[in-house]
Amino acid sequence: KAGVTQTPRYLIKTRGQQVTLSCSPISGHRSVSWYQQTPGQGLQFLFEYFSETQRNKGNFPGRFSGRQFSNSRSEMNVSTLELGDSALYLCASSLIRAGANVLTFGAGSRLTVL
Amino acid sequence: DQQVKQNSPSLSVQEGRISILNCDYTNSMFDYFLWYKKYPAEGPTFLISISSIKDKNEDGRFTVFLNKSAKHLSLHIVPSQPGDSAVYFCAASAPGSSNTGKLIFGQGTTLQVKP
Repeated sequence: KAGVTQTPRYLIKTRGQQVTLSCSPISGHRSVSWYQQTPGQGLQFLFEYFSETQRNKGNFPGRFSGRQFSNSRSEMNVSTLELGDSALYLCASSLIRAGANVLTFGAGSRLTVL
Repeated sequence: DQQVKQNSPSLSVQEGRISILNCDYTNSMFDYFLWYKKYPAEGPTFLISISSIKDKNEDGRFTVFLNKSAKHLSLHIVPSQPGDSAVYFCAASAPGSSNTGKLIFGQGTTLQVKP
């Protein structure tokens, strides 16, 4: 079974630009969540999509947005990039079930903003 | 406001000994806690979880203990192996979010197991 695939793995942008990251979840997983990892901050929840609808949102500015397609693939977009947006962006997919919802993460997209 | 805290940024242990990773939380309403392990250039992988109604869960070399009165949980790895060297994240699911993709993570603890 293929895992969670994120593209691109690495990218460099300059301030003011925008970026789009892509995530293909595990087949059959309808929930896709996005997290930002920065040194010393752990993983911060950005948002979650389920059946093409955003159903949870973290405390990030409106420059961060996402969407999910009918095949459960998801994209996130960051507009007007700032230096502080440099981070590892992780996507996770999961089956929705009762109890502890175990997330399966991709390897991440490392964004560097210059 | 950091609701889940891992106060030790790093831990070093000898191979074969016990590794104890600690995590504190502030929200008594959290209903599930999870531990993830992360190697460089890889995404976090799930290790073990515990429900808030339990005080211990064991899976092979990994045991998680939950002390609700102290709002504290710990992950014990026995015996520690060099392959366990990684960053360990504690995470919690918020009330009403246990069946969603929203987890609250700690900052992580880097474990080094020396041969």
